[in-house]
Amino acid sequence: QLQLQESGPGLVKPSETLSLTCTVSGGSIGSGSYYWDWMRQPPGKGLEWIGAIYDSGSAYYNPSLKSRVTISVDMSKNRFSLNLSSVTAADTAVYYCARRLRNRAATIDHFDYWGQGTLVTVSS
Amino acid sequence: DIQMTQSPSSLSASVGDRVTITCRASQSISSYLNWYQQKLGKAPKLLIYTASSLQSGVPSRFSGSGSGTDFTLTISSLQPEDFATYYCQQSYSTPYTFGQGTKLEIK
Repeated sequence: QLQLQESGPGLVKPSETLSLTCTVSGGSIGSGSYYWDWMRQPPGKGLEWIGAIYDSGSAYYNPSLKSRVTISVDMSKNRFSLNLSSVTAADTAVYYCARRLRNRAATIDHFDYWGQGTLVTVSS
Repeated sequence: DIQMTQSPSSLSASVGDRVTITCRASQSISSYLNWYQQKLGKAPKLLIYTASSLQSGVPSRFSGSGSGTDFTLTISSLQPEDFATYYCQQSYSTPYTFGQGTKLEIK
């Protein structure tokens, strides 16, 4: 059974960089046909897609966050990471990592496994 | 960005009821529409993908339909464990976007 687990600081100061890691177990991050994504959910609000990375290392981001986001992958440790710079209180949210299944024809594209989520609060 | 609008935002229903939730896209997204269930304090769980395909392990009382801009999620007979918040999500183009959610509460 595939499992994803987010880890990182629960409190980040304004203007600093939020850094989270998602460790994948029960499967290889480089097994193909999968993308590895980050989403977030502010308290009491809806879901926002942050960005994704493929096992080749190619990443793409939500344009609303692109200037501040970096997603990277470490195949040797079977994990991928999120860095979000210059954070403000508006970045306070539960952050989720997820696996996205996308076939070659792109006729199937959905998030099938999620981490449990980790709350990150931006406050001084 | 493609905007996803769900209706209603909240819904009260009883065990055994048939419930329908609607999701509308701001432009045609063909059948690239997924549905998720989220319980309080938990991660979303995939229910339906590509508008009408039931994810493995999901009870058959859940079904999805639609294409283009209008989609529906139907629960044929509500069970106690179905009271949760439901989100639609388009996978037609990036950035992927979600509806604002429909909170299903016990009447």
